[in-house]
Amino acid sequence: GAGVSQSPSNKVTEKGKDVELRCDPISGHTALYWYRQSLGQGLEFLIYFQGNSAPDKSGLPSDRFSAERTGGSVSTLTIQRTQQEDSAVYLCASSRPFANTGELFFGEGSRLTVL
Amino acid sequence: DAKTTQPPSMDCAEGRAANLPCNHSTISGNEYVYWYRQIHSQGPQYIIHGLKNNETNEMASLIITEDRKSSTLILPHATLRDTAVYYCIVSAAGGAGNQFYFGTGTSLTVIP
Repeated sequence: GAGVSQSPSNKVTEKGKDVELRCDPISGHTALYWYRQSLGQGLEFLIYFQGNSAPDKSGLPSDRFSAERTGGSVSTLTIQRTQQEDSAVYLCASSRPFANTGELFFGEGSRLTVL
Repeated sequence: DAKTTQPPSMDCAEGRAANLPCNHSTISGNEYVYWYRQIHSQGPQYIIHGLKNNETNEMASLIITEDRKSSTLILPHATLRDTAVYYCIVSAAGGAGNQFYFGTGTSLTVIP
């Protein structure tokens, strides 16, 4: 597709359930980011993938959060045993290797509501 | 890991220039200044970036002070569609572990 695609756009789940959020980056973009945005707050960095390098997981808030990127393309963010405080919009972004612009292209986000 | 300071909110009259300030007093020599904006319920959108020279594109101008400790994003003729949260970010370009930290930004309201 032309842009970063995220699915589902909305997810409602019960406390304690596991959820998977998917990100399809722009073709050819080697860098992929996950951010979380709680209501009325700024973006919170979660994890960063760059090519075949080990991901930077320094932003993951707990061991209930994990992410994978298969084949250097699609990424899945998994939240295990969801809690109400996990409710937020989860944003994915991709970019070319930083050469001249450092421009991140964001998807529309996945809104997660944990009841 | 906040490296920037921005006012929480600003107003601007439609058609006038909007000047959004950002302080980044601890910026390193290899760090760029990036500006993004986020219109309600959408993902953030890249606006402009610079290292030390002033930059201009079709969306905005970026003025960076000579000591690089602060910058100003200028929207020359603000429209209602420019109402958004504007984020100022400093980050090195290139290399592994590169990451952008977004703070809470400046909420700009363009008034008719």
